[in-house]
Amino acid sequence: EVQLVESGGGLVKPGGSLRLSCAASGFTFSSYNMNWVRQAPGKGLEWVSSISSSSSYIYYADSVKGRFTISRDNAKNSLYLQMNSLRAEDTAVYYCARFRFGEKRVDYWGQGTLVTVSS
Amino acid sequence: AIQLTQSPSSLSASVGDRVTITCRASQDISSTLAWYQQKPGKAPKLLIYDASSLESGVPSRFSGSGSGTDFTLTISSLQPEDFATYYCQQFNSYPHSFGQGTKLEIK
Repeated sequence: EVQLVESGGGLVKPGGSLRLSCAASGFTFSSYNMNWVRQAPGKGLEWVSSISSSSSYIYYADSVKGRFTISRDNAKNSLYLQMNSLRAEDTAVYYCARFRFGEKRVDYWGQGTLVTVSS
Repeated sequence: AIQLTQSPSSLSASVGDRVTITCRASQDISSTLAWYQQKPGKAPKLLIYDASSLESGVPSRFSGSGSGTDFTLTISSLQPEDFATYYCQQFNSYPHSFGQGTKLEIK
């Protein structure tokens, strides 16, 4: 069974940093691209970042470029999102999700982890 | 960046109704569009990919169509469990943008 479990969310002050993790199991993690998607309270979904299976290709939304860094450790079956210079507008539930690049679909999602940026 | 515009933003319907939700892209995205269902407090669930391919395990009352810039999600006969928010997402180019969502409510 495919499972994606996010962790690392919490309350952080504006300008602070946080590192999210996503533990993957039930599939060959190293064969899949992965995404981070977020959802602000009461709002819609926003694509944040994508990373290819070997980390060769990385993409970011303009809203987080230069502040967030996506990475992965295929030996640990883990995906990460390092978030720096956090702003109030980064407050959201952050989901990690598996992206099947060839079929252009995101087929599995984690349960999400809440990040709150507030003083 | 490609913008996706869903219509309507909200919709009231009854069990048994046929419902159609539209997603319009700001430029040609071929068939690289997916549809998701999201219920409160839950992660999105993939329904349709490649504009018209039904994800495994998704009931056949859900269908998708379209290519280029205009796409539709149709639910042929609404069931109580279908009341949720629906999103489209494009994969033609980064950023892989989402539509703003369509909230489907019980009439």
